[in-house]
Amino acid sequence: EAQVTQNPRYLITVTGKKLTVTCSQNMNHEYMSWYRQDPGLGLRQIYYSMNVEVTDKGDVPEGYKVSRKEKRNFPLILESPSPNQTSLYFCASSRGQGGGATNEKLFFGSGTQLSVL
Amino acid sequence: GEDVEQSLFLSVREGDSSVINCTYTDSSSTYLYWYKQEPGAGLQLLTYIFSNMDMKQDQRLTVLLNKKDKHLSLRIADTQTGDSAIYFCAESFSGGYNKLIFGAGTRLAVHP
Repeated sequence: EAQVTQNPRYLITVTGKKLTVTCSQNMNHEYMSWYRQDPGLGLRQIYYSMNVEVTDKGDVPEGYKVSRKEKRNFPLILESPSPNQTSLYFCASSRGQGGGATNEKLFFGSGTQLSVL
Repeated sequence: GEDVEQSLFLSVREGDSSVINCTYTDSSSTYLYWYKQEPGAGLQLLTYIFSNMDMKQDQRLTVLLNKKDKHLSLRIADTQTGDSAIYFCAESFSGGYNKLIFGAGTRLAVHP
């Protein structure tokens, strides 16, 4: 089954304790992205990757890191989490760059609810 | 910059039609999308429309696009309780890579 898998689904942590949210897709997609969802703000892009070893900042990258060592995995790293990073996080992937709706169609993971105390 | 705006809430009676509206700013967007988010789940693509089309119909869903006013709407006919969800409008960023700009989402509540 084609899917984007995120782990964990729920995470409660304390300020300053490094954490990683994993994301894996089994569709051989080139493009992967992380979003955070906050009430009234919709989805805002944190980082994206157009292929292995190619990553770039989205709209709200401060306080986050990513890596893309393999095509299928795109972990999100919070080196020193703060309470303002409490949010619902989504990983998404798509086939490729441009070329229309088929390539642009995003497949989303089920989300990771993060609480930083 | 790019911006997509939607109203935050819509409440309809079961069996009625729902109309969710969206305005966007990037007139060079190639595609415009509607995503649906059910409780506790990620977003799923519901439908999309190419920017040179005015209307697209897909079973109970009708998408209307007014390019002049940069207005997009999603009409759901015969709304059912299973349609209760958050609906996100999104435009494709014209900057040359896969980026969708999402609205804040419209929470649709369907009541008996």
